[in-house]
Amino acid sequence: QSVLTQPPSASGTPGQRVTISCSGSSSNIGTNPVNWYHQLPGTAPNLLIHGNNQRPSGFPDRISGSKYGTSATLAISGLHSEDEGDYYCAVWDVSLSSWLFGGGTRLTVL
Amino acid sequence: DVQLVESGGGLVQPGGSLRLSCAASGFTFSNYWMTWVRQAPGKGLEWVANIKEDGSEKNYVGSVKGRFTISRDNAKNSLYLQMNSLRAEDTALYYCVRVASGGYFLDREYYYYYYMDTWGNGTTVTVSS
Repeated sequence: QSVLTQPPSASGTPGQRVTISCSGSSSNIGTNPVNWYHQLPGTAPNLLIHGNNQRPSGFPDRISGSKYGTSATLAISGLHSEDEGDYYCAVWDVSLSSWLFGGGTRLTVL
Repeated sequence: DVQLVESGGGLVQPGGSLRLSCAASGFTFSNYWMTWVRQAPGKGLEWVANIKEDGSEKNYVGSVKGRFTISRDNAKNSLYLQMNSLRAEDTALYYCVRVASGGYFLDREYYYYYYMDTWGNGTTVTVSS
């Protein structure tokens, strides 16, 4: 069981807005910025958000991140079929001196 | 283009050893922390180990401490993972990942943070008799 908790699944219809949560503790999300990754089947993860809410250059602004206390949220608006896949949050834990990943959320576009 | 190419994976018996390599190109390798992340079949991502730019600091996930050793050769732009006493639960796709840094202001102070930004395609390790 992951130290960072994500819902196992999420879904939405094209054009809709969906959110994915990531819950941690004071030694990880409460202290350090959160990063988010998207992984399609059979491919390596791809960085979506770093530093809680920073998008890599060239990424659409319909994808955003936020953090409050010991929880973080990834929001995807204007859902597209290519948004399907697995989403992971990640953060450095200062007590464990370890990177932590959430268990992952599988997003389905209905 | 930034590129990370892993090699060295394969089938090994329980208790055996393997050495993974990662060849980096397209960036100044010696300026970055590097890390290994693995993914067991059908499972999520698990961080394995990381190493500082000059190799002076290393961290490991608890389940591999004492069995795995991360190292780097900045002259060869290469990252390594020596895996000993392998177990069935080490079976996974192993990714080599670059760690980038960013920063932000908070209460007039500037803070650095790190994030894994570039991933290789991975090399598969299977531990089975």
